[in-house]
Amino acid sequence: GIQVEQSPPDLILQEGANSTLRCNFSDSVNNLQWFHQNPWGQLINLFYIPSGTKQNGRLSATTVATERYSLLYISSSQTTDSGVYFCAVVENTDKLIFGTGTRLQVFP
Amino acid sequence: EPEVTQTPSHQVTQMGQEVILRCVPISNHLYFYWYRQILGQKVEFLVSFYNNEISEKSEIFDDQFSVERPDGSNFTLKIRSTKLEDSAMYFCASSGQGARTDTQYFGPGTRLTVL
Repeated sequence: GIQVEQSPPDLILQEGANSTLRCNFSDSVNNLQWFHQNPWGQLINLFYIPSGTKQNGRLSATTVATERYSLLYISSSQTTDSGVYFCAVVENTDKLIFGTGTRLQVFP
Repeated sequence: EPEVTQTPSHQVTQMGQEVILRCVPISNHLYFYWYRQILGQKVEFLVSFYNNEISEKSEIFDDQFSVERPDGSNFTLKIRSTKLEDSAMYFCASSGQGARTDTQYFGPGTRLTVL
């Protein structure tokens, strides 16, 4: 089955710094979503982005489907950005396959 | 904004007991899902449900698990005889047009602890 790898596995930042999180997938996908799992365990939708670029405030995402990767950019990070970021893809079936996650810690 | 809701937020049970986890998907959605996340691990697919039947299930979703849409609003996951390894966060999700072409929206999760 499809493999979804995320890097880096852990990231520590000071408030105000920028960061780029990467998601690589091993085969063609029909759908890609980015999620933020907050410290309470909730999965928050960030982007639905099977291809192209989207922006939402300090966050933006780019998916290059032909090269099988997606990037999540966080600018001017805040302590509330802390948590785990997951990308998840849909191959040919009706389920999301989650990546390994990037754990982000932002310190004041 | 419409959201997926789940109850209870935390359930503690004894090994061998039956548990039912409840979800209310977004009202006009047609596709429903359960996922689980063992502490510290990634989120894993359990089952998808469309048109009142299971459309896909994972290897995890064995005979101990069942799903049901008992009425027009609820979607439930039943574990018949819980094991210690069933301890996890269980997420319900829904989408309007299926995972291939539409966003899946997740509920806040039910943390299941099996003692």
